[in-house]
Amino acid sequence: DADVTQTPRNRITKTGKRIMLECSQTKGHDRMYWYRQDPGLGLRLIYYSFDVKDINKGEISDGYSVSRQAQAKFSLSLESAIPNQTALYFCATSDGLGSNQPQHFGDGTRLSIL
Amino acid sequence: DAKTTQPTSMDCAEGRAANLPCNHSTISGNEYVYWYRQIHSQGPQYIIHGLKNNETNEMASLIITEDRKSSTLILPHATLRDTAVYYCIVSSPNTGNQFYFGTGTSLTVIP
Repeated sequence: DADVTQTPRNRITKTGKRIMLECSQTKGHDRMYWYRQDPGLGLRLIYYSFDVKDINKGEISDGYSVSRQAQAKFSLSLESAIPNQTALYFCATSDGLGSNQPQHFGDGTRLSIL
Repeated sequence: DAKTTQPTSMDCAEGRAANLPCNHSTISGNEYVYWYRQIHSQGPQYIIHGLKNNETNEMASLIITEDRKSSTLILPHATLRDTAVYYCIVSSPNTGNQFYFGTGTSLTVIP
């Protein structure tokens, strides 16, 4: 979805480095999510946020932290990257109005940790 | 854990209807059924969702059984561009609409 922008699109870094992945959206949605995808598997939820200052852990939050600085921005940080965090990362948004609304995904960030 | 079961792979002839099944036998009363697809490693694309009634949009139709324990996504006239991994997800507003993706069905449309 062109209205959900992830930066960078690709990143290669070394073990122990601090990494930040950014997500911004122009959809005006309240809810934002971070997922990771490993080869051959479905997406797994890392963290989600329903509003600014609201942070909730997902299925696999260990080793990650997030920040919701504004309604339109949701950042994912790896404080000390390790090789098994090599994966494809997706951000998603949804409209909180009518809480069954679907999520809309960005194009992903491919992260490689050496 | 994913709450759905889907076949690992399916083939469909170009121009024919593709019928993708999903089992969600433990679905609760307020959980919706969502379908997404993912082409190569692109972001998942929303297709359709429903609660209990059948739904149709410009992309597909969603048929949910009366007991809601299974559903079928129908792509009425499959094209080569419909080749993708299709995910069936059940989610509830009560749990913040968290999505649990399984491994999906890899659909190959054959010319």
